[in-house]
Amino acid sequence: GQQVMQIPQYQHVQEGEDFTTYCNSSTTLSNIQWYKQRPGGHPVFLIQLVKSGEVKKQKRLTFQFGEAKKNSSLHITATQTTDVGTYFCAGNYGGSQGNLIFGKGTKLSVKP
Amino acid sequence: DAGVTQSPTHLIKTRGQHVTLRCSPISGHKSVSWYQQVLGQGPQFIFQYYEKEERGRGNFPDRFSARQFPNYSSELNVNALLLGDSALYLCASRQTGNSPLHFGNGTRLTVT
Repeated sequence: GQQVMQIPQYQHVQEGEDFTTYCNSSTTLSNIQWYKQRPGGHPVFLIQLVKSGEVKKQKRLTFQFGEAKKNSSLHITATQTTDVGTYFCAGNYGGSQGNLIFGKGTKLSVKP
Repeated sequence: DAGVTQSPTHLIKTRGQHVTLRCSPISGHKSVSWYQQVLGQGPQFIFQYYEKEERGRGNFPDRFSARQFPNYSSELNVNALLLGDSALYLCASRQTGNSPLHFGNGTRLTVT
């Protein structure tokens, strides 16, 4: 079935270090979305990637969508303590009301 | 504008009981999805409804059912509760099939 794999499961970094999480699907995605969930909170939408090879930036965050539309990455430059949380990718496999399938997430902790 | 609202926020039930969770989407959003999030895992897709019709169903047993009302609010019903049903149940709404999900704060269900 449709499945989205995400690695690593955990990442511990020193404040100021970079962070990357990777997402992979065995089948082609219509689009991919990224969400952040703070401890005790609910997932909050960050960005959507639709086009093959697309790269989008939000301040220190850089999102990429692979050429084959099967993989994606989120890179955070110079992490801050406010970046703490779990980052999820969610793959949309298409259809008129495409269902989003979430990865297991990467939990980021930042040591000041 | 109000976000997605879910009720109740917390619920404790006994094995074998039945539970009904409620969700009101953002005004103007006709699509509602339900997700189950077990501690430390990503949200698992349960159902999606659009214009009162079921448009998707995840890999959950028939004990799980849902419906959407004419005002686009939704209910998730779970029968014959098991200990493994303990989780955070998230409701999300969106405008179209490819737009971002807006999550509610969730209902924390504990089955004892």
